Amino acid sequence: DADVTQTPRNRITKTGKRIMLECSQTKGHDRMYWYRQDPGLGLRLIYYSFDVKDINKGEISDGYSVSRQAQAKFSLSLESAIPNQTALYFCATSDRSYTEAFFGQGTRLTVV
Amino acid sequence: KQEVTQIPAALSVPEGENLVLNCSFTDSAIYNLQWFRQDPGKGLTSLLLIQSSQREQTSGRLNASLDKSSGRSTLYIAASQPGDSATYLCAVRYDMRFGAGTRLTVKP
Repeated sequence: DADVTQTPRNRITKTGKRIMLECSQTKGHDRMYWYRQDPGLGLRLIYYSFDVKDINKGEISDGYSVSRQAQAKFSLSLESAIPNQTALYFCATSDRSYTEAFFGQGTRLTVV
Repeated sequence: KQEVTQIPAALSVPEGENLVLNCSFTDSAIYNLQWFRQDPGKGLTSLLLIQSSQREQTSGRLNASLDKSSGRSTLYIAASQPGDSATYLCAVRYDMRFGAGTRLTVKP
């Protein structure tokens, strides 16, 4: 099993719908991150969490919200999806001592 | 606000060449810098991690250096192979900000 698991892997949704992307990890890490990737723009940080009670906005948090349900679970929600949120979304984890970060396989989201 | 830049955006080389990818960052107060590889449509694979107190790290044909004072890191790939073709990304921590990546093509 993968250390960082994202569900779903692919999703097509309609404009205005609420959608949740989920991330779970088995590495026991405290820090979790959500990114989106668009062609030519690299990965941009949406939200990050240093523990269950510590959630922070990243570069592009507008239109997104997150929930850290447990140390191992970090969910990203689009309250009312719009077409320019079509992207590849990645979840990542790292431990408290800022060592190596690990990524999930990504969720391809299409908003039509 | 930390900004990370990678140059060049794309690079095409013949097989066997040694090459250097560059990563620069605006705020030198970093904890570490990590290099990743990404194949098309896939996730990220960690290549090398350099802590802020280190100058370089090596793994096989890869060598990464870090100069915090000048805000730069380089990834050196020796004797490039077609299998090295991918996008290479650098990320700096505190909060793990990424550059846009360098798309590398190694031609047989």
